Formats: sequence, structure tokens, C-alpha cells
Amino acid sequence: QKEVEQNSGPLSVPEGAIASLNCTYSDRGSQSFFWYRQYSGKSPELIMFIYSNGDKEDGRFTAQLNKASQYVSLLIRDSQPSDSATYLCAVNNYGQNFVFGPGTRLSVLP
Amino acid sequence: ETGVTQTPRHLVMGMTNKKSLKCEQHLGHNAMYWYKQSAKKPLELMFVYSLEERVENNSVPSRFSPECPNSSHLFLHLHTLQPEDSALYLCASSQDGTAFQQTDTQYFGPGTRLTVL
Repeated sequence: QKEVEQNSGPLSVPEGAIASLNCTYSDRGSQSFFWYRQYSGKSPELIMFIYSNGDKEDGRFTAQLNKASQYVSLLIRDSQPSDSATYLCAVNNYGQNFVFGPGTRLSVLP
Repeated sequence: ETGVTQTPRHLVMGMTNKKSLKCEQHLGHNAMYWYKQSAKKPLELMFVYSLEERVENNSVPSRFSPECPNSSHLFLHLHTLQPEDSALYLCASSQDGTAFQQTDTQYFGPGTRLTVL
């Protein structure tokens, strides 16, 4: 079974720090990778996606992909209390649709 | 949230009831999805429709019955549910649906919080 794994957390960081969220996946054929943010009681909202090895930056967010290590991460710079949420990693396996990880709960402390 | 809408937002039903969840997408997408999200469990894909045809059914119990009359609307018909079916049911849509596009991205509706008594 294709799996996506994340540390469930909670991950606690002080306000202004860098939060680092990690995700590993088992299917080497995976092609693209997505990060969603989900506030408690709300639906997931897309933060960004990445499909090439290396870094991709969007504002305070940076996604990092290493296909050889089957590892994707999300860095949040200058973390704010409003970033406190569960972050879901999703993997797109061609022809098999999306597989979501269990999510990492992030808590940014004021 | 206005791209994908879901009704009702909350639903309480008994095990003998029949109810339906509705999803509508206003994004011009070709694919729609039903997910189940239970507490402390990953999102579970239930059904996928691409161009109104079901392309995936992840062994979902027959008490859940999907319907996709057109590419903008998706229903989930519920009957004789069990208490363990209580969860957040999320609808999503994407442009392609076959997952052959690298950038095919899913956009979620606000969800229906279902409680089965």
C-alpha cells in the first residue's frame, strides 16, 4: 500500500521562529507533492505544491523535495500564532490520485 | 470556500434514516471527490468521478451511494448508517482527475459534519 507518513506532533515553536514539517512517502513513482493547511473544524486549504527536486518558495513558505530520499518538507519562516493548524502532506501518484498523510499539528506560541 | 460548496454543513441522523449530502463546484473542473475524515485518522478517499464517470471506489460500504449527474454536482446518498460513520465528509474538485497532470490540484469544500446516533 502506498503510504505517506508525517510526525503527528504537536510541533511547538515560538513566534518568529522557523517551523519545519516533514513528510516521507513510500511510492518512488510519485510525481507531485502538495501541502495543505487545515484549521480545526475547517477543510484543508492548499498552501503550495512542488514536483521538481529542490526548493520552491512562496512568501513565508518553502517546500523542499528530495525524490532520491523520498522526502518532502515545508518550512514556515517567521511563524505566527495564526499558523497554528494541522499541515497535511499529499502525494500524487499518477493514475492513482492523491494519498494524504495523517498530518502534523503545529502550535506557534506567542 | 466559494469555489466548492457543500450542504448541509451539519447533519444529525438516526441509523434508519436516509439523507443526502450535496456538493457543487464553480471552478469548471472535470473531477470531483468524496473524502471521509475521522478524528485522528488520515483523509480517506471514498469516491472519484472524472467527467461524470466513477473512476475509483475504495471499497466503501454500500450504505454510501454516490451520484454525479454532471461535472459540477456530486451527491452522497446515505442510508442505514452506523455510529462509526460519524465524521467530517469533504468534497473536493480538480481540473483533471486522472492524476496524469503533475499540477492537478484538489480544492476542498467546507465539509459536512455528520453525526449518526
